[in-house]
Amino acid sequence: GAGVSQSPSNKVTEKGKDVELRCDPISGHTALYWYRQSLGQGLEFLIYFQGNSAPDKSGLPSDRFSAERTGGSVSTLTIQRTQQEDSAVYLCASSLQAGVLPYGYTFGSGTRLTVV
Amino acid sequence: KQEVTQIPAALSVPEGENLVLNCSFTDSAIYNLQWFRQDPGKGLTSLLLIQSSQREQTSGRLNASLDKSSGRSTLYIAASQPGDSATYLCARLSGGYNKLIFGAGTRLAVHP
Repeated sequence: GAGVSQSPSNKVTEKGKDVELRCDPISGHTALYWYRQSLGQGLEFLIYFQGNSAPDKSGLPSDRFSAERTGGSVSTLTIQRTQQEDSAVYLCASSLQAGVLPYGYTFGSGTRLTVV
Repeated sequence: KQEVTQIPAALSVPEGENLVLNCSFTDSAIYNLQWFRQDPGKGLTSLLLIQSSQREQTSGRLNASLDKSSGRSTLYIAASQPGDSATYLCARLSGGYNKLIFGAGTRLAVHP
């Protein structure tokens, strides 16, 4: 597609429920990233995909968080047993290729998750 | 440590002023650097990308510079307008080349 698409744009869930957040990167972009932005905070790196592999999962805050990517395209971020501290905007970005070369990132509009 | 610091944290100016937003890094090994704009409740919009071999990039009223020796980047906004009101984020590519490390941003308000 023309841009990075994320769905849903807003999600309200009850504490303890599982949620899935979806990201459709720009067609042909091999690198995909998930970030989290809590209220009033900066962007926190969660996980990075190159193709379908995740070489860097260092930012996932707990084992309740997982992500996968299939077909080198769509990615799903899953949060199990959601907690109130999971409330944040989850942003996805894609890049033609990871690395030092001039491949800038393009971000989606994010999913605003509210855990009540 | 790859901290990215942005100052000021917030800025309020009258329309028409020229502005300088600052970004600095603790790691002197500078790679790509990207400036973004974020409007309230929205995602990030890329403004300028500076490659490590470059010193500056320009787009319209925006100019971004990179000084690797001092570990600093500045975003210059000429003749500011109310529509420039947003949060401006700088981000540097990590040493592993696989992710951007963001500063906390500068919240800019331009009033008529």
